[in-house]
Amino acid sequence: DTAVSQTPKYLVTQMGNDKSIKCEQNLGHDTMYWYKQDSKKFLKIMFSYNNKELIINETVPNRFSPKSPDKAHLNLHINSLELGDSAVYFCASSQRTSVQETQYFGPGTRLLVL
Amino acid sequence: AQKITQTQPGMFVQEKEAVTLDCTYDTSDPSYGLFWYKQPSSGEMIFLIYQGSYDQQNATEGRYSLNFQKARKSANLVISASQLGDSAMYFCAMREGPSGGSYIPTFGRGTSLIVHP
Repeated sequence: DTAVSQTPKYLVTQMGNDKSIKCEQNLGHDTMYWYKQDSKKFLKIMFSYNNKELIINETVPNRFSPKSPDKAHLNLHINSLELGDSAVYFCASSQRTSVQETQYFGPGTRLLVL
Repeated sequence: AQKITQTQPGMFVQEKEAVTLDCTYDTSDPSYGLFWYKQPSSGEMIFLIYQGSYDQQNATEGRYSLNFQKARKSANLVISASQLGDSAMYFCAMREGPSGGSYIPTFGRGTSLIVHP
């Protein structure tokens, strides 16, 4: 009974392709997030949704588009993949959006663009 | 300016000894939360400990404690009795309230801890 799950775990693709990463949480949380972790391990937030509403949208190319069909799911679609998109993408969730809410992370999706 | 600073890119400690991982933060918001996460070589992010800005006492969770010095804006993680399984990257993170960062979580660049037998 995984709390936050992501698929796929590994994704190898060619430049220019379009790909999606799916995320699901069974914790009953209201808020979900997407993070990008680069090769130097720097973790940066990309998006956050609260009850299917976009609340955080950091400076991310518009090739990246999040979609939240319901509050338990937050998918990430990436168009026209570039070499620089290679990274580990983490989904996370928290009960609410507040300073004390712990985020619980999925296992990560390792994306390699060739 | 960086909101979370972890000045130690790498740390080494002998098994069974204690180790302190440094974290300083920058915020003007009176309401914020500080978190530590562990990322082993397998890649997952594991929540360790939380400290709220209004908490009077330092947080503790088993062998982990947070040395919170509000005036100095530091939130160091102390791991007591290190174990080989503690070898990992450790990230300090902060969430500020609405007047600081609109609840956007910010992570430091991490400290790589290696525990020697």
